[in-house]
Amino acid sequence: QQQVKQSPQSLIVQKGGIPIINCAYENTAFDYFPWYQQFPGKGPALLIAIRPDVSEKKEGRFTISFNKSAKQFSLHIMDSQPGDSATYFCAARKGPGTYKYIFGTGTRLKVLA
Amino acid sequence: DTGVSQDPRHKITKRGQNVTFRCDPISEHNRLYWYRQTLGQGPEFLTYFQNEAQLEKSRLLSDRFSAERPKGSFSTLEIQRTEQGDSAMYLCASSPPKGTYNEQFFGPGTRLTVL
Repeated sequence: QQQVKQSPQSLIVQKGGIPIINCAYENTAFDYFPWYQQFPGKGPALLIAIRPDVSEKKEGRFTISFNKSAKQFSLHIMDSQPGDSATYFCAARKGPGTYKYIFGTGTRLKVLA
Repeated sequence: DTGVSQDPRHKITKRGQNVTFRCDPISEHNRLYWYRQTLGQGPEFLTYFQNEAQLEKSRLLSDRFSAERPKGSFSTLEIQRTEQGDSAMYLCASSPPKGTYNEQFFGPGTRLTVL
């Protein structure tokens, strides 16, 4: 119940493609869902985040789709570029008044030039 | 705003030695977190501070681990009698006092290798 399941483990797309990374959770108390981007040797950087009362959020080329009833959310990267090649993590906050994030296992994305 | 900084960036030690890592959060951020990340995995929560108070510790944090934030600014994470299983990236994050969802901003991490 405390897990966030992320898929796929790795993904290769051509430049301009739209990679989609999926996450699923069980605990309905989770109330905040950020996505992080991590380059090798660096810490995770906050990319975009969504609350469960919103079904979609866009920031630049990054879009989160959220399906509350299915307890699933996904990250779409429009017009992907080689510079987007990184590991992406979804996460979830355990609920109001809590501070701990539960992270997925990560998706290694490679965008081919 | 220079971001979260961590020192050292890399540490190689022999099994049984003690190590200490430092984290400087973003200025004005009163909340500070430590996570551990092993290869191919997402970060795992270790502990959380609000100002100088340590409010939550994970069961992952064995007796050999201790964290402090004495003046509510920088924090240290000490590992005593290191074991090979402690080899990991240790990440620090901070978040501001305002904000409903405690957006967490991560530092570059300290990579620990225990030989």
